[in-house]
Amino acid sequence: GQQVMQIPQYQHVQEGEDFTTYCNSSTTLSNIQWYKQRPGGHPVFLIQLVKSGEVKKQKRLTFQFGEAKKNSSLHITATQTTDVGTYFCAGRNTDKLIFGTGTRLQVFP
Amino acid sequence: DGGITQSPKYLFRKEGQNVTLSCEQNLNHDAMYWYRQDPGQGLRLIYYSQIVNDFQKGDIAEGYSVSREKKESFPLTVTSAQKNPTAFYLCASSALAGGGGELFFGEGSRLTVL
Repeated sequence: GQQVMQIPQYQHVQEGEDFTTYCNSSTTLSNIQWYKQRPGGHPVFLIQLVKSGEVKKQKRLTFQFGEAKKNSSLHITATQTTDVGTYFCAGRNTDKLIFGTGTRLQVFP
Repeated sequence: DGGITQSPKYLFRKEGQNVTLSCEQNLNHDAMYWYRQDPGQGLRLIYYSQIVNDFQKGDIAEGYSVSREKKESFPLTVTSAQKNPTAFYLCASSALAGGGGELFFGEGSRLTVL
């Protein structure tokens, strides 16, 4: 079946450093979404990418969708302690949204 | 306020008992989903429904059952056949069935089997 993998599994950074998580699918995706889950909370939608090669920015966050629509990345510039949480990508193929394994980000002040 | 309500938030169950987790949404969304999350892991799809009176199995449906008799409600029953039911269960809905819509999640139900 379809699989969506994310790397790294964990990332610890000093506040102010950059952070990137990568998402790879075993199949071509119709779109990809990104979610953030704070410790003890539930996932919250961040963004959706649809077009091949698409790049979107939200303040310090930059999202990319690969040309082949099988991979994606999330880059955070100058991390802050409020960025702490687990970031999930979720790829859609047919009518199901399959979540990646997630990257847990810890930011030290 | 519009949103998704899951109950109970915490639930303890003895082995061999069935339990039902409630999920109600007042967003008028067509599609609803149940995911399971284990510690330090991603979300795995259990069941989903795109329309009333219809639902499909996800990747880990064995040991679970659902119903969708009303648009706003999508309860999940964890049966005694589920071999490792202790987990965090998340219900979600989206406005668009069949793909494309963002998911809105409830706050989750944490099930512990004693």
